[in-house]
Amino acid sequence: KNQVEQSPQSLIILEGKNCTLQCNYTVSPFSNLRWYKQDTGRGPVSLTIMTFSENTKSNGRYTATLDADTKQSSLHITASQLSDSASYICVVSPSNDYKLSFGAGTTVTVRA
Amino acid sequence: GAVVSQHPSRVICKSGTSVKIECRSLDFQATTMFWYRQFPKKSLMLMATSNEGSKATYEQGVEKDKFLINHASLTLSTLTVTSAHPEDSSFYICSASNPGVNYGYTFGSGTRLTVV
Repeated sequence: KNQVEQSPQSLIILEGKNCTLQCNYTVSPFSNLRWYKQDTGRGPVSLTIMTFSENTKSNGRYTATLDADTKQSSLHITASQLSDSASYICVVSPSNDYKLSFGAGTTVTVRA
Repeated sequence: GAVVSQHPSRVICKSGTSVKIECRSLDFQATTMFWYRQFPKKSLMLMATSNEGSKATYEQGVEKDKFLINHASLTLSTLTVTSAHPEDSSFYICSASNPGVNYGYTFGSGTRLTVV
């Protein structure tokens, strides 16, 4: 069964600090992995998309890494801002199906 | 970039009535759209896959007669919650597949449905 597990479930950080979110998956065969940011009451917004051959991708202060061998990904947020408070969802797409596998998300709260 | 517009963003309806939610791809043609339901602090749960010009494919456990999906054009899919009950209250999100955009799946902004 294709699964995506994220950790931690939630975290609180001070404004200006960095944090790293983790994503482990069992989806196979693998096509790509995406990180989305979802603000409360809004739809997910894409941050990064990585395929098998990519091991890092940045989008501003967000940097995602992918280790396809160990089936792990991380999302690093640098110099956090209050607007980074949101749920971050790891989504993995298999190459043999259109259905996406969603992680439960990590809720990040940035405090001043 | 690809934009998916979803309306309404919030709706409150009485039990027994029906509610229609629209999902539009604004700058690309979407042959496939997806409808998700999300409970608080939970992941998105796929309800059905909507294909333009054909019947939707529903996930196991999703009542097709309660959640009517129509995908009449390449830019519009609608989800109608029929005879709504309080347990149908949830956050509904659509997404559109745009294969021409780097494995693109673009999500709508979601609809908060409250049935009273």
